[in-house]
Amino acid sequence: EADIYQTPRYLVIGTGKKITLECSQTMGHDKMYWYQQDPGMELHLIHYSYGVNSTEKGDLSSESTVSRIRTEHFPLTLESARPSHTSQYLCASSTRQGGYTFGSGTRLTVV
Amino acid sequence: AQKVTQAQTEISVVEKEDVTLDCVYETRDTTYYLFWYKQPPSGELVFLIRRNSFDEQNEISGRYSWNFQKSTSSFNFTITASQVVDSAVYFCALSEVTGGGNKLTFGTGTQLKVEL
Repeated sequence: EADIYQTPRYLVIGTGKKITLECSQTMGHDKMYWYQQDPGMELHLIHYSYGVNSTEKGDLSSESTVSRIRTEHFPLTLESARPSHTSQYLCASSTRQGGYTFGSGTRLTVV
Repeated sequence: AQKVTQAQTEISVVEKEDVTLDCVYETRDTTYYLFWYKQPPSGELVFLIRRNSFDEQNEISGRYSWNFQKSTSSFNFTITASQVVDSAVYFCALSEVTGGGNKLTFGTGTQLKVEL
């Protein structure tokens, strides 16, 4: 039973469309993260949050934005999708002691 | 800045062989966590182990074992008697524990192929 949920699992969308990738966790974790992974490559942190109304950019620059209005919800939005945004996006949350849980990921293809 | 190096891009073994995946890390933190994850073709990350920087005891879990050596900044992972189902990309990761955060820095991954 997953404690962190990402939807959709796969998404194919046209250039210029606005998209929101959903991420929800039921563990009450304060810390949440978004990682981006190109096929066959390592994961890079693009956004993180330490709690409600807290969001920070990660190590890899991204045109996406995030919000954290509720503890359990950390959606990622792309205002205008481009082919260069094609990637896998993985959401995660962690305890204060550093125990990490990852979602199943969203594989985004922009055509 | 933190860094994780997995020098082995791809390893191919025959089933039942033992295989060791190398991981070397760099950090200025005295407190940190090290992780290993498995990523099958389906893309999800499967958690394997987490160790903190104060616990250098080696660990064995079934066919998996980990060798953490602070003196050489290494956290190597061995699979004994490999199986085809072990085929996946394996990532080593380092977590900083500063400023209230636990951001992960990943290595580039090692593709393990286990053949019959």
